[in-house]
Order: sequence, then C-alpha cells, then structure tokens
Amino acid sequence: EVQLLESGGGLVQPGESLRLSCAASGFTFSSYTMTWVRQVPGKGLEWVSSINSGSRTYYADSVKGRFTISRDNSKNTLYLQMNSLRAEDTAVYSCAKDYGSGTYSLQYWGQGTPVTVSS
Amino acid sequence: QTVVTQEPSFSVSPGGTVTLTCGLSSGSVSTSNYPSWYQQTPGQAPRTLIYSTNIRSSGVPDRFSGSILGNKAALTITGAQADDESDYYCLLYMASGIWVFGGGTKLTVL
Repeated sequence: EVQLLESGGGLVQPGESLRLSCAASGFTFSSYTMTWVRQVPGKGLEWVSSINSGSRTYYADSVKGRFTISRDNSKNTLYLQMNSLRAEDTAVYSCAKDYGSGTYSLQYWGQGTPVTVSS
Repeated sequence: QTVVTQEPSFSVSPGGTVTLTCGLSSGSVSTSNYPSWYQQTPGQAPRTLIYSTNIRSSGVPDRFSGSILGNKAALTITGAQADDESDYYCLLYMASGIWVFGGGTKLTVL
C-alpha cells in the first residue's frame, strides 16, 4: 500500500524558513516523479514543485528562487525547503506521487501538513 | 502566465449527465498536456479520477470518462450520483516543465 506522510509544517514569521518532509512507502520511491501541491483551506489546488527520478527540478513562478525541492532516495523521503516565507505561502502542503511512464499526472496524495506564515 | 480555466460551479440532476471542461487562457488543450482530473470532498485529499486525458484510475467507476472536446479537456459523468457532489480539479502539464491546476468546479447534484 502506498503511503505518503508529510511533516514539518508549523507557524513561522514572514521571512523565516521551514523544511517539509514527505516519507514515502509502498513503492519504488527512486523511480517516480514526486510533487508538492498546496491548498489554502477553502480554495483551489496549486502546483508548487516537482522533482523527477533523475532529480531534475521544476518550480511554480510563485516560489521559484525561494523554495527548493529535493529527494533522498536512500531514505525514501521528499523535501521542500522553504525560505523567505510570505503570508501568501500559508496553505496545507501535500506531497504526491506521479503515475510514472511519462503520464505527468498525480496518482497518490498525502494528507498534508499545514504551514502558517504570520507575524 | 498560463491560466487554466474551469467552470466555477455546475449542477446536475441525479441520474443525469454532466461535462466539466478544462481550457487554457491562451491556446488549446491537447493530449500533450496530459490532462488529469481529481475529485476532492471537504477535508479529504484529492482522489485521482482520470489521467493522460482518458485513462481511468484504478477503482474509478466507468461513469467517469475523460476526453478532448474541441480545444478543451473534458470530464464527463454519466448517471450522476449524490456522492459525486464534490470539487473537481483538472491539471495540465506544460511543455515548459510546469504543471498548472484549474481553479476547480464545484459540482452540485440535486
């Protein structure tokens, strides 16, 4: 059974940093593109960043230059380093596993970890 | 900036058929955008319905189908049921290596 468990969320002040983790199990982690998605409660989904099996990274314009996605295949863990946080980064952050084989679609989702940026 | 458009809301009668669409503010959606569709109820993680335009995810009933209609991706629900009342999101892959979600459609079954 595929499981994705996010952690690391919390309350931080504007300008501060936070690192999110996503522990994956139930599949060959190193073989799949992994993605971070965020959602403000009551609002829509927003794609944040993805990293493919070769560790090539992609970012939404809204986070480019501030967020860094990475993966540790030895630990089956995905990360999102978030720097220079802003109030508009407040959301629930979820990790997701790709279907693979060039489908560019998300198959499994975690439940998410909340991030609040406020002074 | 690429904007993916969806109907903000839609209503369907039980047993009826509804088609939700997913378009681009500039240009047409094609299979090269690998359109996928997700269903989300409040407080729950999204559930994948359709990927790569028209492939149903495991366990998804065949009354959900995906297609390209004209210049948009489409999700059709045939024989709508009360528990189909949810938010539906499309996701498009852009050639530049980014993904963009639509704003979501709130489907009411009544």
